Amino acid sequence: NAGVTQTPKFRILKIGQSMTLQCTQDMNHNYMYWYRQDPGMGLKLIYYSVGAGITDKGEVPNGYNVSRSTTEDFPLRLELAAPSQTSVYFCASSYPGGVNEKLFFGSGTQLSVL
Amino acid sequence: DAKTTQPTSMDCAEGRAANLPCNHSTISGNEYVYWYRQIHSQGPQYIIHGLKNNETNEMASLIITEDRKSSTLILPHATLRDTAVYYCIVRVRSQGNLIFGKGTKLSVKP
Repeated sequence: NAGVTQTPKFRILKIGQSMTLQCTQDMNHNYMYWYRQDPGMGLKLIYYSVGAGITDKGEVPNGYNVSRSTTEDFPLRLELAAPSQTSVYFCASSYPGGVNEKLFFGSGTQLSVL
Repeated sequence: DAKTTQPTSMDCAEGRAANLPCNHSTISGNEYVYWYRQIHSQGPQYIIHGLKNNETNEMASLIITEDRKSSTLILPHATLRDTAVYYCIVRVRSQGNLIFGKGTKLSVKP
């Protein structure tokens, strides 16, 4: 199994551009998450989803949008990119109620907005 | 805000046990203690979790004090590949989200 797959791995955007970070998981997990990590800091939750068609805001949702049309995919949309969105973005999934209830993370997308 | 307090950094000699402390004095009765680690900007990796009993798996051991206000993650024989940032997190099981603090940067030295 591939686990959680994120694309792209790296991206440079100009201020005001938009883009979509892709995330897909093949573990049939109900829960999916988007986190961002600024240098030297812990991860902060942007959005999460408890199942297809259901999304909710996390700690830092401003400037982002998400959708969850399928169990597998949870794309993160950046509209009007700003320098403050320069960060590393991690997608994760989990299956609450499972044996360990652990989160599985993707390898991250490093985004720079210049 | 994270509900845990961890030292900013620690060093450990290769082959020795690494003991990483975590204070969670406000933990609630239904909150579990989880440990994750992040190796050099990769995605965090689950290590272990527990409620009140000590736990052991193939990666580590988790010792939780009787009052549950603190815990210690033990890597029994640290290797250079264990150099990482270790996060101690408390959360209600089935709640989903993890709230990350800054963690402890563990450096394993030859």
